[in-house]
Amino acid sequence: GDSVTQMEGPVTLSEEAFLTINCTYTATGYPSLFWYVQYPGEGLQLLLKATKADDKGSNKGFEATYRKETTSFHLEKGSVQVSDSAVYFCALSAFSGGYNKLIFGAGTRLAVHP
Amino acid sequence: SQTIHQWPATLVQPVGSPLSLECTVEGTSNPNLYWYRQAAGRGLQLLFYSVGIGQISSEVPQNLSASRPQDRQFILSSKKLLLSDSGFYLCAWSPSGRKSDEQFFGPGTRLTVL
Repeated sequence: GDSVTQMEGPVTLSEEAFLTINCTYTATGYPSLFWYVQYPGEGLQLLLKATKADDKGSNKGFEATYRKETTSFHLEKGSVQVSDSAVYFCALSAFSGGYNKLIFGAGTRLAVHP
Repeated sequence: SQTIHQWPATLVQPVGSPLSLECTVEGTSNPNLYWYRQAAGRGLQLLFYSVGIGQISSEVPQNLSASRPQDRQFILSSKKLLLSDSGFYLCAWSPSGRKSDEQFFGPGTRLTVL
């Protein structure tokens, strides 16, 4: 079945460091891909998405490119801030039973220190 | 614009007590609705989804049930809580139909069963 695999955390970085969080997926067809972010004590917020191969999603300095050949959707940011500390979830959508089901990775916790 | 509400925000309940968590969506009609559970330090597990009033599908067998008495209201219930029911419960909605595959999450309810 469809699945998402993320790199395990926690990821600990200093402010202004470069961030990469790896995400690979297994799916039939061509799903949309998402990155969601969860700040401490809050629900999930959509960070960015890509709907087809070679699309690049971007938001708040974060980017991810839909790579069909490597079935990947790695999250990157050139210079992280303390306020980026959160849990990041990679997800794909799969249409089944009349609705779009989101399949999530396990999440990667990011801690950014001053 | 659409908004999603969940209450209560936090809840501490004894083992064996009943549970009722409520989720409401504003600003849209006939949404798909979802209940997720996030156990401590883990990813999201889809519990229930609904494509319409009275239409509930369960993803995993468990001690919980869900109901949708109104178009934009989704309730998660239990007759007798277990310790393993502790976690962070998230409600989400998405537009009906296949075109939109993005889900929008509420702020969550943190449940502690003692």
